[in-house]
Amino acid sequence: DIVLTQTPLSSPVTLGQPASISCMSSESLVHSDGNTYLSWLQQRPGQPPRLLMYKISHRFSGVPDRFSGSGAGTVFTLKIGRVEAEDVGIYYCMQTTHFPRTFGQGTKVNIK
Amino acid sequence: QVQLQESGPGLVKPSQTLSLTCSVSGGSTSSAGYYWNWIRQHPGKGLEWIGFIYHTGVTGYNPSLKSRVKISLDTSKNQFSLRVNSVTAADTAVYYCARENADCGADCNSHFDYWGQGALVTVSS
Repeated sequence: DIVLTQTPLSSPVTLGQPASISCMSSESLVHSDGNTYLSWLQQRPGQPPRLLMYKISHRFSGVPDRFSGSGAGTVFTLKIGRVEAEDVGIYYCMQTTHFPRTFGQGTKVNIK
Repeated sequence: QVQLQESGPGLVKPSQTLSLTCSVSGGSTSSAGYYWNWIRQHPGKGLEWIGFIYHTGVTGYNPSLKSRVKISLDTSKNQFSLRVNSVTAADTAVYYCARENADCGADCNSHFDYWGQGALVTVSS
């Protein structure tokens, strides 16, 4: 199975300041079709996961542009430009290039 | 707007079968390009992919659960279901259904775009 390792596991941030989460894969996530199927999910407290980013850097419908994704191959990053109170939650990277689908262990973002 | 909703018993006895149904609205389970998935989250833990079903009936399962899991599809009701046999306390979790957009138009996609609210299933006697 593909192992996705997220760092940090906890990220206390100041409102209005940027935040960054890394996701490292145990194998390349480049699919045979040339795409890299790495997504980022947000799970607010008591809520189901919600798709933020797909194919590394594509924002899903309705996602604010303060969220951005980058990376290639095995190393990926989610950035929040200026953290707002509603961004509190756990962020997961997820790969759908290989079976079984796997998730990172999650990064908890909270306000200092 | 696609919506998914899980339903089923919240309490299951050890050694029995866990059964959940996901009802889909705003989208069709008989459409090509979409996979219908089950994922679970143990209390306070991360996410674990269980498996998927495609509109053709093709299924795929996580090897860690494959021997005990079956996913089925009822396109007439626009629903898909999960069965987990021989449950133990380790199967206590919130179970989510989700759609994977795997459509290939100008370019291919693969991402879990819509999720249900989740159903807590507790395994206890």
